[in-house]
Amino acid sequence: EAGVAQSPRYKIIEKRQSVAFWCNPISGHATLYWYQQILGQGPKLLIQFQNNGVVDDSQLPKDRFSAERLKGVDSTLKIQPAKLEDSAVYLCASSPLTQYLTDTQYFGPGTRLTVL
Amino acid sequence: AQSVTQLGSHVSVSEGALVLLRCNYSSSVPPYLFWYVQYPNQGLQLLLKYTSAATLVKGINGFEAEFKKSETSFHLTKPSAHMSDAAEYFCAVSPPITGTASKLTFGTGTRLQVTL
Repeated sequence: EAGVAQSPRYKIIEKRQSVAFWCNPISGHATLYWYQQILGQGPKLLIQFQNNGVVDDSQLPKDRFSAERLKGVDSTLKIQPAKLEDSAVYLCASSPLTQYLTDTQYFGPGTRLTVL
Repeated sequence: AQSVTQLGSHVSVSEGALVLLRCNYSSSVPPYLFWYVQYPNQGLQLLLKYTSAATLVKGINGFEAEFKKSETSFHLTKPSAHMSDAAEYFCAVSPPITGTASKLTFGTGTRLQVTL
């Protein structure tokens, strides 16, 4: 079974530039998550999709961050314009949605963003 | 709101020694608890999870954790450390609700170093 795919793996940009990250979840997984992991901290949830609808985006800085999940499959996360404090690893995760079991989240390798 | 506290940002053990990584949770009801491992430049991988069944949970790579309600703890242990266990370990908590997509809140992580 293929895992969660993310691209690019690394990105370096200047502040005020725009950047986009792509995620392809495990086939059949209904739920998709984007996390921000700042160096030395645990991942923080930015946004959660169930199929192509947003379940939780309460911690997404909506003035500069946006995300979409067209057709309920892959997803893109965009930052426009980027700030220095956006330097972090952006992790995508996906999970199935089962009635009887707590769904496990499966993580991709992440995209390391450096904002100069 | 739920949270987890990981005591010790860095833990160093000798190869063959006991590994003990501490995690305490804060929640009004017994939550679901998880341990994830992150190797350098990789995403997070689930080690084990507690979902209100057996309080002693066995995971992959010889790790196990015990849920202790009286101590609000979920410490991760391994009897004998191996060099390949060197990584970052994250404890996470989610509400005890099945049938919905889990919302994970992560601790700040503990970096495990294994020395010869």
